[in-house]
Amino acid sequence: GESVGLHLPTLSVQEGDNSIINCAYSNSASDYFIWYKQESGKGPQFIIDIRSNMDKRQGQRVTVLLNKTVKHLSLQIAATQPGDSAVYFCAENTLTGTASKLTFGTGTRLQVTL
Amino acid sequence: DTGVSQDPRHKITKRGQNVTFRCDPISEHNRLYWYRQTLGQGPEFLTYFQNEAQLEKSRLLSDRFSAERPKGSFSTLEIQRTEQGDSAMYLCASSPGVSGNTIYFGEGSWLTVV
Repeated sequence: GESVGLHLPTLSVQEGDNSIINCAYSNSASDYFIWYKQESGKGPQFIIDIRSNMDKRQGQRVTVLLNKTVKHLSLQIAATQPGDSAVYFCAENTLTGTASKLTFGTGTRLQVTL
Repeated sequence: DTGVSQDPRHKITKRGQNVTFRCDPISEHNRLYWYRQTLGQGPEFLTYFQNEAQLEKSRLLSDRFSAERPKGSFSTLEIQRTEQGDSAMYLCASSPGVSGNTIYFGEGSWLTVV
């Protein structure tokens, strides 16, 4: 079936380095992708989104890249900080009739070492 | 407005009891969603409201689950005759709908069935 998956369950980076979190999706009909950050015991926090008619979008310290040819999505975090430690989810927005809903992958845990 | 609000944040109940969770979405968001998340997994879609109309329900939403949004504002999710497999975090989310797709999550309601 259609799914959103992540390549690596855990990513460890040193403080100050750049982080790259990857995600593969399989639903070619998805037109909207979102990255969420989830800290322990909390709900997912919106980071950045991108529509399928874009290849790249930048936010504050974060950049999302979308490669529709290979159905790949990545989140780049510049100058990673300890506060960036969390689980990161990519999600695709699936439009079904009048509804829109998110399909999440299992997440990548980002560990920032000092 | 401080975002999506959920209550209670934590609930421990005995198997067979009924539980109810409440969600207050972001003001003026006409779309409201319920998701379920188990440890180590991404959130899974349960159901969706456009104003007071429940437009879609996942197959994950068994007959023991019922969600309402009577006035198109807050929503409740009731689980009857709870089972240990119902233990999870129940997340509520909202979005503006027509004016935007970004879905914002609350902090979740943790349910433990003993």
